[in-house]
Amino acid sequence: DAGVTQSPTHLIKTRGQQVTLRCSPKSGHDTVSWYQQALGQGPQFIFQYYEEEERQRGNFPDRFSGHQFPNYSSELNVNALLLGDSALYLCASSLEGVYGYTFGSGTRLTVV
Amino acid sequence: AQSVTQLDSQVPVFEEAPVELRCNYSSSVSVYLFWYVQYPNQGLQLLLKYLSGSTLVESINGFEAEFNKSQTSFHLRKPSVHISDTAEYFCAVRWDTGFQKLVFGTGTRLLVSP
Repeated sequence: DAGVTQSPTHLIKTRGQQVTLRCSPKSGHDTVSWYQQALGQGPQFIFQYYEEEERQRGNFPDRFSGHQFPNYSSELNVNALLLGDSALYLCASSLEGVYGYTFGSGTRLTVV
Repeated sequence: AQSVTQLDSQVPVFEEAPVELRCNYSSSVSVYLFWYVQYPNQGLQLLLKYLSGSTLVESINGFEAEFNKSQTSFHLRKPSVHISDTAEYFCAVRWDTGFQKLVFGTGTRLLVSP
């Protein structure tokens, strides 16, 4: 049974560019959350998607947006990249009503 | 504001010694508590969780944590650590307020030396 799959594992972007990160949830899970983990910090909640809608959002600017598809997979988009966006981006999936979260291995984004 | 505090950024211990990693959170409202472990260049792996019932929860690799509602704490313990336990440990809390997010502490790096 595959866990949470994230792609790509690493990427390097230039300031001002746009990036799309992808996440496939664990089989049977219907909810996807995205977290940003800066170096030496704990993960910070970006937003959560359920039934293809953004259900809750953390303290991140509108440059961060997302999408959930009918198969529950999700994308995280970041526009106008800043150097401070360099971080490990983690996707977590869960099943609505069940308090267990499975994390992927993350995408390491470096903005130069 | 909801917050999670891990006071120790780094805990060095010798192999086979006991260890305690501390976690406190900001509110005694009904909570769900988690400990995650992160090895270098990897994602987060669930170590153990408290949802309800017994306040002492255990993992399969010898870690345990105790939910203390009065002290709003969820400290992680292991009676005898191994070199392979060297990793970053994160405490996370979900408050039962309708909000779905996990709030993480800043992490504690456990360094086990021979």
